[in-house]
Amino acid sequence: EAGVAQSPRYKIIEKRQSVAFWCNPISGHATLYWYQQILGQGPKLLIQFQNNGVVDDSQLPKDRFSAERLKGVDSTLKIQPAKLEDSAVYLCASSPGWNEQFFGPGTRLTVL
Amino acid sequence: AQSVTQPDIHITVSEGASLELRCNYSYGATPYLFWYVQSPGQGLQLLLKYFSGDTLVQGIKGFEAEFKRSQSSFNLRKPSVHWSDAAEYFCAALIQGAQKLVFGQGTRLTINP
Repeated sequence: EAGVAQSPRYKIIEKRQSVAFWCNPISGHATLYWYQQILGQGPKLLIQFQNNGVVDDSQLPKDRFSAERLKGVDSTLKIQPAKLEDSAVYLCASSPGWNEQFFGPGTRLTVL
Repeated sequence: AQSVTQPDIHITVSEGASLELRCNYSYGATPYLFWYVQSPGQGLQLLLKYFSGDTLVQGIKGFEAEFKRSQSSFNLRKPSVHWSDAAEYFCAALIQGAQKLVFGQGTRLTINP
């Protein structure tokens, strides 16, 4: 079975620029998550989708971050404008239910 | 506050030696507990999970973990480590009904030849 796909794998941008990340979950997984993992820390949940509806976005900085999951499959996470402190690995995960999450390889973002 | 704590930021062990990575949780009820491993440049891979029942859980790659309710702990163990075990290890907890996975800050494991 194919795993969670993410692109790009690496991105370097200047502060105040915009960036978007893409995630394709495992086929049939209804739940999709975006996490932010800052160097030296554990992943922190940014947003959780159930099909194409938002379940939890309490830790998403909504003034600059946005996410959507069209048709309940692929998802994009956007940052506009980026700040230096947004440098991190952005992980996408999917789950068929509630009890196990499968993670993609992540996108490493560097903001200069 | 609900949290997961991994007291050791970095551990170094010799190849062939035993390993124990510590994890403590702070929740009102017993959460579901997980251990993940992250190799450089990779996503997180699930090693094992505990929901209920037998408190000693077997996982992949020869890892096991023991749930101790009295100590609010879920420590990861391996009897003999291999150089390929060098990675970052994360403990995580899931509150029943909340579907929100909370991670510890991770323990980086270095293996000496």
